[in-house]
Amino acid sequence: EVQLVESGGGLVQPGGSLRLSCVASGFTFSNYWMHWVRQVPGRGLMWVSHISNDGSGTSYADSVTGRFTISRDSAKNTLYLQMNSLKAEDSAVYFCVRDDPGLGLDFWGQGTMVTVSS
Amino acid sequence: DVVMTQSPLSLPVTLGQPASISCRSSQSLVSSDGDTYLNWFQQRPGQSPRRLIYKVSNRDSGVPDRFSGSGSGTDFTLIISRVEAEDVGIYYCMQGTSWPPWTFGQGTKVEIK
Repeated sequence: EVQLVESGGGLVQPGGSLRLSCVASGFTFSNYWMHWVRQVPGRGLMWVSHISNDGSGTSYADSVTGRFTISRDSAKNTLYLQMNSLKAEDSAVYFCVRDDPGLGLDFWGQGTMVTVSS
Repeated sequence: DVVMTQSPLSLPVTLGQPASISCRSSQSLVSSDGDTYLNWFQQRPGQSPRRLIYKVSNRDSGVPDRFSGSGSGTDFTLIISRVEAEDVGIYYCMQGTSWPPWTFGQGTKVEIK
């Protein structure tokens, strides 16, 4: 059974940092691109970042470029999102999402809530 | 960036009746490999999104056959042939042809009348 379990969310002050983690199981993690997608409660979905299966390729939404860094550790089957210089508008539920090769985003984790507030 | 526009944003439906959701992209979603990377997701209340349809019209495993997707180029449609109570939620289209960024529609809220 495919599972993606996010953790690391919480309350942080503006300008602070958080690192999100997503532990994958039930599939060969090293074969899949992975993404982070966020959702303000009650609002729509916004893609944040992607990483290729071997970590050699990454991309970011303009709103997080230079502040967020995506990475992965295939030995630990874990995806990360390092978030620095956080702003109130970064407050959202962050989902870890698998990318089905040739078919696009498919399986989503349950999400972890990030709240940026003083 | 490719802008995805869904309509309607709210869709009250009578149980057993059909529902249709439109999704339009600001540019063609036909990829250089000939495929069209347009997916549909369902997000039930309090749950994570779940993919229903990939590449315009292919149902994911376990998705009831009352869900169907169609379209081409810039115009796409998700149809629920007979709405059931468990179909209540928000439906999103998403393009993966021209990236980054991957982009989503605003979402269509399906509710029972």
